[in-house]
Amino acid sequence: NAGVTQTPKFRILKIGQSMTLQCTQDMNHNYMYWYRQDPGMGLKLIYYSVGAGITDKGEVPNGYNVSRSTTEDFPLRLELAAPSQTSVYFCASSPTRTSGGRSTDTQYFGPGTRLTVL
Amino acid sequence: QQQVKQSPQSLIVQKGGISIINCAYENTAFDYFPWYQQFPGKGPALLIAIRPDVSEKKEGRFTISFNKSAKQFSLHIMDSQPGDSATYFCAAARGSTLGRLYFGRGTQLTVWP
Repeated sequence: NAGVTQTPKFRILKIGQSMTLQCTQDMNHNYMYWYRQDPGMGLKLIYYSVGAGITDKGEVPNGYNVSRSTTEDFPLRLELAAPSQTSVYFCASSPTRTSGGRSTDTQYFGPGTRLTVL
Repeated sequence: QQQVKQSPQSLIVQKGGISIINCAYENTAFDYFPWYQQFPGKGPALLIAIRPDVSEKKEGRFTISFNKSAKQFSLHIMDSQPGDSATYFCAAARGSTLGRLYFGRGTQLTVWP
């Protein structure tokens, strides 16, 4: 298994451009997540999905969009890129089961995409 | 609003020493507390996790101590090694939020020989 893969690894965008960050997992996980990581700020959840066709906003969704047409893929779309979106973006997946209503599962992270908006 | 507060921001420890990273939370509905380890240029990876029904969990040189009444938990790395140099994140989740994790801001650990 390749696990969670992300493309591209690096990208430089000009202000106002758009792009899609790709994320694919081959573990048949239902749950997928997009985070951004800024220095000293930890990981902030942008969007997440509990299955194909179902997505929901996280803490910092503004300026981003997602779709989940298949179990494997969870692309993140940036429209009208802004310097504030300069960050490292991580995709993650988990098989999340709740046992008696309790979270049980590990999130598996991809290697990240480093995005710079100039 | 930071759901999980982590300290210190950075930590320097001599080889063989004990590294201690602390986290605190407010939401008593949290029922799962993992620690993630991240090396430069890589994604975070699960290191160890604990539930609030136990006060301690140990895996090799890594131990989580959990204090439910104080709403605090900490990671102890015994016999710290240069290979442990990484960024460590604590996190918390509750069963009703479908696996969603709330992360601390991270601690950059440097272990020097």
